[in-house]
This record gives sequence, structure tokens and C-alpha cells, in this order.
Amino acid sequence: DAGITQSPRYKITETGRQVTLMCHQTWSHSYMFWYRQDLGHGLRLIYYSAAADITDKGEVPDGYVVSRSKTENFPLTLESATRSQTSVYFCASRSGTAMIGQFFGPGTRLTVL
Amino acid sequence: AQKVTQAQTEISVVEKEDVTLDCVYETRDTTYYLFWYKQPPSGELVFLIRRNSFDEQNEISGRYSWNFQKSTSSFNFTITASQVVDSAVYFCALSEGYNQGGKLIFGQGTELSVKP
Repeated sequence: DAGITQSPRYKITETGRQVTLMCHQTWSHSYMFWYRQDLGHGLRLIYYSAAADITDKGEVPDGYVVSRSKTENFPLTLESATRSQTSVYFCASRSGTAMIGQFFGPGTRLTVL
Repeated sequence: AQKVTQAQTEISVVEKEDVTLDCVYETRDTTYYLFWYKQPPSGELVFLIRRNSFDEQNEISGRYSWNFQKSTSSFNFTITASQVVDSAVYFCALSEGYNQGGKLIFGQGTELSVKP
């Protein structure tokens, strides 16, 4: 399927477990982003990547790890999940110019018990 | 520091009323981009409009219009003759300049409820 996809769409896990959220885009966009959405905070940037093997922290990176070995994939890993990481996670991508804006995936709703 | 403020947390209107969603931003960049996204109850983020800092022309798209004023650092969104399908959370966002990777800084969102 063309576009940007996220998996899983829903995930329930327990405190302390490792969880990986997947993001895949078919446009060959150079930039990819991970945001989390929490009530009262809008969306906040966790990590972003300008190209394969280039990643950088956003506003709320603690507790998360990212990698980008291929242009089309940008997985987000919670190494040891905490209840405060219960959120909706959105992946986004864009081409090389900021003018065009970002395209968002459908989101992953993560619950940490 | 860059910041986007949507002071209206929730707005409730009756169908066919006009409604304006406010957005105020702060940035030190001279080149920047502003966006509006819609998030309907289904949860996805739908792109509505982008505006660059050099283009202050207002824009109209059907029932939607946007008013960009650099003098007041505002980028307000008006829905004319609102409909129930307009019920959603609306986010205003600011994209930092090229050197910052074009990251989006979002406002807190305004939840619009349009009642029949």
C-alpha cells in the first residue's frame, strides 16, 4: 500500500517490557518523525531522522530509542515501558523541503499497564 | 523559543454558525511555515493548509478560510456555516526553518463540537 503505515495500531503491554512500534513509508521521503499525543499537550516530537542512519532527539526523547537502517522504515522502541508512556504515537514523513509539510500515519494507541 | 498557542480548548456551536479558531505563534526564524491539521473522531491527522512566512494572503477553500497576520503572529482559521462533520480537534502547527529539519511544533489543539 502506498503512503505511510504504522503497526500495530493498538498495543497493550506491561510496565518494564520492551515494545517496538513500526513505521513504514513508500514515498522515499528523507525525513521521518515520531510524535506522541497526550491530552492537553497536543503532539510532541520524540525523535526525528533526516536520512538513513541520521537521527536526532526531539522534545521528549527520554525512554525511547530509534533507528533508521533503511529510508522507508523508522521503528520506535520503548526499552522498558512505563505507565507515563501510555499515549497515541504518530509517525510522519516529509520530503526534503519543509514547505511541503508532513504526512502522518494512522497512529498507534499504546497502553502500558 | 518556538511556541504555538491555541487558547481555546473547546468550542461548541450550533450548525450553520460561523466559528473562528485562534492560533498565535512565536518564532525567531524569518522563514517558517504554518499549518492547520484536523483530527476527526476516527483519530487520523488530516492536513488542511500550509502557509509560508512570506505569503500573508488570506486563503479561502470552500467553507474554510485562513487569516495570516505577521504583525500579530496569528494564523486564525474560520469555518463558515459549520456542519456536524466539522466536529473534530483542530491543531495549528509551526515548522521550524530548514536548519531545524522542519520539525512541527503543535498547539494544544481546539476541540470543536458542532451540534445539529
